[in-house]
Amino acid sequence: EPEVTQTPSHQVTQMGQEVILRCVPISNHLYFYWYRQILGQKVEFLVSFYNNEISEKSEIFDDQFSVERPDGSNFTLKIRSTKLEDSAMYFCASRSSGYNEQFFGPGTRLTVL
Amino acid sequence: RKEVEQDPGPFNVPEGATVAFNCTYSNSASQSFFWYRQDCRKEPKLLMSVYSSGNEDGRFTAQLNRASQYISLLIRDSKLSDSATYLCVVNPLEYGNKLVFGAGTILRVKS
Repeated sequence: EPEVTQTPSHQVTQMGQEVILRCVPISNHLYFYWYRQILGQKVEFLVSFYNNEISEKSEIFDDQFSVERPDGSNFTLKIRSTKLEDSAMYFCASRSSGYNEQFFGPGTRLTVL
Repeated sequence: RKEVEQDPGPFNVPEGATVAFNCTYSNSASQSFFWYRQDCRKEPKLLMSVYSSGNEDGRFTAQLNRASQYISLLIRDSKLSDSATYLCVVNPLEYGNKLVFGAGTILRVKS
């Protein structure tokens, strides 16, 4: 069964450092998403991406965040200068054209010290 | 009012019990509705989509009441493996973008 994969599973970084979180969506999916979940809180939408551009972003997704599809398989989330409050689980999701269901990867746990 | 509201629980039930979760959503224009389950520190996994006509998948039944902006999930014959957090999830736009998550309802099934 095809699945979304994410690397790394856990990233520890110092405040102010740049991090790149990587995702490989399901191969025939065209719509890609990033969500985050701070420990003990609900899952929150960050950004959606289609046809090589951002289609929607939340208030959380400020100038410190960017997304990219550098090749035909990877989808990345970059945080330029991490803050303590960026510590969270970051989930990548994808969906197929014509269907509403989104499928999530296992997540990257980001810890900012 | 929260966009998606759920009773946080926990619901503690014995094996074999029937348990029901409810959820309300605030955006009357919402088009798509889902139940996901989430195990501790894991990703949300799609349990089922929720349709206006209601739908059933084995022991799980989901209902949607658009007039009341209310979604429900019924689990029959609970198993130990059903222990998880159940997330009510709404997509405000058909074929649109973001999913809006409720905070989840914790279910603990005990032997």
